[in-house]
Amino acid sequence: EDQVTQSPEALRLQEGESSSLNCSYTVSGLRGLFWYRQDPGKGPEFLFTLYSAGEEKEKERLKATLTKKESFLHITAPKPEDSATYLCAVTGGANSKLTFGKGITLSVRP
Amino acid sequence: SAVISQKPSRDICQRGTSLTIQCQVDSQVTMMFWYRQQPGQSLTLIATANQGSEATYESGFVIDKFPISRPNLTFSTLTVSNMSPEDSSIYLCSVTEGVHGYTFGSGTRLTVV
Repeated sequence: EDQVTQSPEALRLQEGESSSLNCSYTVSGLRGLFWYRQDPGKGPEFLFTLYSAGEEKEKERLKATLTKKESFLHITAPKPEDSATYLCAVTGGANSKLTFGKGITLSVRP
Repeated sequence: SAVISQKPSRDICQRGTSLTIQCQVDSQVTMMFWYRQQPGQSLTLIATANQGSEATYESGFVIDKFPISRPNLTFSTLTVSNMSPEDSSIYLCSVTEGVHGYTFGSGTRLTVV
């Protein structure tokens, strides 16, 4: 059974203080690892898909990386508007099912 | 990417009643997915709905409790039947968009009293 574990559960940063969010996964035949951002009262918003170990993707202050066991979402010089819950999910094997972690709640103080 | 309209956005319901949640997509999609997001828990897949066939339910979810309709390629409904307080949750529909991952609706926040 696919499993996704995210850490820490919550993270509080000062504006400009860079950090990383971790996503550890166990999946049979990784097809894709996804990062989403979720704001309160809204559905998850797609950020990145990573397909193979060594792959990296960037968008503004966010950079996602992937190894065979985990993914990191690096946040460089965060701003208060980056405050949200960040979700990691994987698909594997023959199905399209997404398995999610519980998410990391990021709070960035001005 | 696809735009998903989901309604209602929230509702408060009496136990024992049923609520039907609607999901409308602005483009034709083969598969639609229904998720549940309970407080402090992961998003959990309830079922996958393909047009013209019965929905496929995940372990722990049954058709009698969560009947799904998929009358065409842009629309689906999820009904939460005979509700109890344990059904209080956020329910989300989703479609797959290939390299863009999966797009989600804004969710329905259900409170059962």
